[in-house]
Amino acid sequence: AQSVTQLDSHVSVSEGTPVLLRCNYSSSYSPSLFWYVQHPNKGLQLLLKYTSAATLVKGINGFEAEFKKSETSFHLTKPSAHMSDAAEYFCVVRAGGFKTIFGAGTRLFVKA
Amino acid sequence: SQTIHQWPATLVQPVGSPLSLECTVEGTSNPNLYWYRQAAGRGLQLLFYSVGIGQISSEVPQNLSASRPQDRQFILSSKKLLLSDSGFYLCAQTGGVYNEQFFGPGTRLTVL
Repeated sequence: AQSVTQLDSHVSVSEGTPVLLRCNYSSSYSPSLFWYVQHPNKGLQLLLKYTSAATLVKGINGFEAEFKKSETSFHLTKPSAHMSDAAEYFCVVRAGGFKTIFGAGTRLFVKA
Repeated sequence: SQTIHQWPATLVQPVGSPLSLECTVEGTSNPNLYWYRQAAGRGLQLLFYSVGIGQISSEVPQNLSASRPQDRQFILSSKKLLLSDSGFYLCAQTGGVYNEQFFGPGTRLTVL
């Protein structure tokens, strides 16, 4: 069975400092992993995806994530936070079938 | 490219009234389509998915139903709304080489 755990429900950073949003997954198969961002009252936008081609994945808006199989992790990072990064972020696992498993979400706050 | 439309964008309905939310997609044929609900402070809950016309799978027993009368149309309905039906409803489809999900802009439903 597949599952995904986002370790922090809220993360607060100052503008210009690094961002780290943590995600651990569980999958019986070789998974595809995704990060999505959701701004208030908007749909979800795909940030990046891991599909076994490379363990370090670069996405939009300066975000990247590293797949670590030994740690079953797929943490999202950004070197320098911007005010516009304030949003909710979802880690997602997909491993066969029609279903996609979403994490509970991490709300990112960026302080000026 | 895929485009997903959702209508209406916002809706306020009294308890006991009927509901019909519409999702239409462009740019693809025979898509897998999904309805999710996002309640306040909670993650995404998969409600229904459909792999083709007239084919609906329900994930959780509830007050809602779904239909797919056309290849690119997915409708979420209720005969009598409950207060607990309030939330943000998202339609999604899978696409791309790795079957990532693409989301519509969402419908904000408030049941009073």
